[in-house]
Amino acid sequence: GESVGLHLPTLSVQEGDNSIINCAYSNSASDYFIWYKQESGKGPQFIIDIRSNMDKRQGQRVTVLLNKTVKHLSLQIAATQPGDSAVYFCAENNAGGTSYGKLTFGQGTILTVHP
Amino acid sequence: GAVVSQHPSRVICKSGTSVKIECRSLDFQATTMFWYRQFPKQSLMLMATSNEGSKATYEQGVEKDKFLINHASLTLSTLTVTSAHPEDSSFYICSAFSPGEEYFGPGTRLTVT
Repeated sequence: GESVGLHLPTLSVQEGDNSIINCAYSNSASDYFIWYKQESGKGPQFIIDIRSNMDKRQGQRVTVLLNKTVKHLSLQIAATQPGDSAVYFCAENNAGGTSYGKLTFGQGTILTVHP
Repeated sequence: GAVVSQHPSRVICKSGTSVKIECRSLDFQATTMFWYRQFPKQSLMLMATSNEGSKATYEQGVEKDKFLINHASLTLSTLTVTSAHPEDSSFYICSAFSPGEEYFGPGTRLTVT
């Protein structure tokens, strides 16, 4: 969920498997959502985004699904590689689509990919 | 893509001293920059919105007199942690907003001893 916790959820997968990372958001007015990847000691790196008028968007090896009914967002990574190991955050914005700053970040999930 | 830099990347200071962290947008102008704080194994928490040429807007619970923000130009925002204490030790991340996307800096690790 959106609350910040002291223990991030973890997901361990084998190289080549598909990974699914989930995120729940609380603000029904949010209209823009982003997934970020953060490696240890680095800033967040943009992965993929989706607007609230869509329910699915695909990128290279990644797919984001948005379910506004239950306020749920997921990130699917196909053929996960060891280089995908990182912390993944969802972020939401509710500035009416005119300004994409002031993001609210979700809890984060630690993804570990084993060779 | 757009690049945002931060300086320094790591800093260690003594309790009671002040530390300045710089955030620069290297290849675009940013009228708005954001400062986040991230404690170990936690998410990013927005501290303040830095607006070029005007006062920063602070999030609830963030002391404006302790975390001084100056956005003097379209490519530079600075965060000064005044009278730092060990509990201020954290990873400070800035971002710069360019229409359509928010670009994050690499972060600054502050350790107060």
